[in-house]
Amino acid sequence: QVQLQESGPGLVKPSQTLSLTCTVSGGSITSSGYYWSWIRQPAGKGLEWIGRIYGSGSTHYNPSLKSRVTISEDTSKNQFSLKLTSVTAADTAVYYCARDIADRVFFDYWGHGTLVTVSS
Amino acid sequence: QSALTQPPSASGSPGQSVTISCTGTSSDVGGYNFVSWYQQHPGKAPKLIIYEVNQRPSGVPDRFSGSKSVNTASLTVSGLQAEDEADYYCSSYAGNYNLVFGGGTKVTVL
Repeated sequence: QVQLQESGPGLVKPSQTLSLTCTVSGGSITSSGYYWSWIRQPAGKGLEWIGRIYGSGSTHYNPSLKSRVTISEDTSKNQFSLKLTSVTAADTAVYYCARDIADRVFFDYWGHGTLVTVSS
Repeated sequence: QSALTQPPSASGSPGQSVTISCTGTSSDVGGYNFVSWYQQHPGKAPKLIIYEVNQRPSGVPDRFSGSKSVNTASLTVSGLQAEDEADYYCSSYAGNYNLVFGGGTKVTVL
């Protein structure tokens, strides 16, 4: 059973960089056929896909966030990470990491989510 | 890219059926059979209930079914049960390695 767990600061100041890590257990992030994605959800609002990374290190980003997002991986720790720069209050949300089935585009395993608040 | 359009709410009595629409364009819903649906209870992570338009993951009751016509996908929940009260989100591949979600529909079991 694959499990994902988000971790990182719950409070980030405006204009700073949001950094989160997703630790994966029960499966390797280098396994072929899977992408590893970040998705966020502002309170009371819908889901927004942020981007994904493949085991080889290739990445794809939501065009609306691409200029501020970097997703990377640490295969030795079976983790992947999100960095979002120049944050504002609009970036306040619950951030989820999820497993994304490559070439089929759906998320079958999700983390529990972590709330990140952008505030001074 | 714009979010897919879903009605904000839908409701039905126990045992009845409810259908939720998810409208996109020929660049997303209409262009690919990569529509999926997620159920989200309050305070919980979304759960996959339909993928590739009409496929159910193992363990998802067959009360949940999906379909697509042109640029609109639909999720039908038959034989509504109290535990089906939740938010439902559609998503679709949108080309160029992009993915888009719908705004969500809150289903109330009356």
